[in-house]
Amino acid sequence: DGGITQSPKYLFRKEGQNVTLSCEQNLNHDAMYWYRQDPGQGLRLIYYSQIVNDFQKGDIAEGYSVSREKKESFPLTVTSAQKNPTAFYLCASSHWVEVAGGLGEQFFGPGTRLTVL
Amino acid sequence: DQQVKQNSPSLSVQEGRISILNCDYTNSMFDYFLWYKKYPAEGPTFLISISSIKDKNEDGRFTVFLNKSAKHLSLHIVPSQPGDSAVYFCAASGAGNQFYFGTGTSLTVIP
Repeated sequence: DGGITQSPKYLFRKEGQNVTLSCEQNLNHDAMYWYRQDPGQGLRLIYYSQIVNDFQKGDIAEGYSVSREKKESFPLTVTSAQKNPTAFYLCASSHWVEVAGGLGEQFFGPGTRLTVL
Repeated sequence: DQQVKQNSPSLSVQEGRISILNCDYTNSMFDYFLWYKKYPAEGPTFLISISSIKDKNEDGRFTVFLNKSAKHLSLHIVPSQPGDSAVYFCAASGAGNQFYFGTGTSLTVIP
C-alpha cells in the first residue's frame, strides 16, 4: 500500500558530525518537502522539491542540504553548520499543482527525532 | 514573522460538546487552507481543507469556516470525542505549493 516512510525514527548525533535522514514515498507524488518542528512552534519549511533534480530553499535552509535524484526519494543532510539541529523532522509529499486552490494537501511521514549529544 | 497564527496553545472540551479551534493569517494572497491533526511522535494527517472561493466546508463531524475579510478560519468538531484529542495545525498557501503552518492547538476531549 502507498505511503511515505522516514528512517530512522530516532537518531543521535555527536556535535560536528553530518547526518542524513531518509524519506521515501511510493505515492507517485511530484513534490516533496522537509519540515522541522520545535516545541511550541509550527512546522517550518527547510527545503522542498517540485521535480527530480530540482529543489528550493525554504525558510530555514541554513545548515541543511538535500538531493532529489529519484522521484521517490528526498534525503535531508543535517550538516555540522546547523547550530541547533535537535528537533523533530518531518518529510511530506504532494501532487504539484500549478494553480493554488487545487489538490495540494501534503501527506506526512512518521518523522525522525534527531538529538545532538 | 509568523504568517499563520493559532493563538490558543491548548483547549479542553467535554465529550459530546463542540470544539472550536481558531486560526488567523496575515497574508491576503493565501487562498487555500488546510487543517491537520497530529498525534505525539507521528506525522500530521490531513483533516479538511477549504478554498477561498468558499466560506464553509463540511466533512462529517468536522466543519471549517473561512472569513476572508477577517483573515480568520476556524475548525468546528461536533460532537467531540476522546479520540479527537490531538494537536491541530492550520496551514495556508497562496500561489505555488509552499504551505505555512500555525503553531498548533492541543485539544483535549474529556470523557
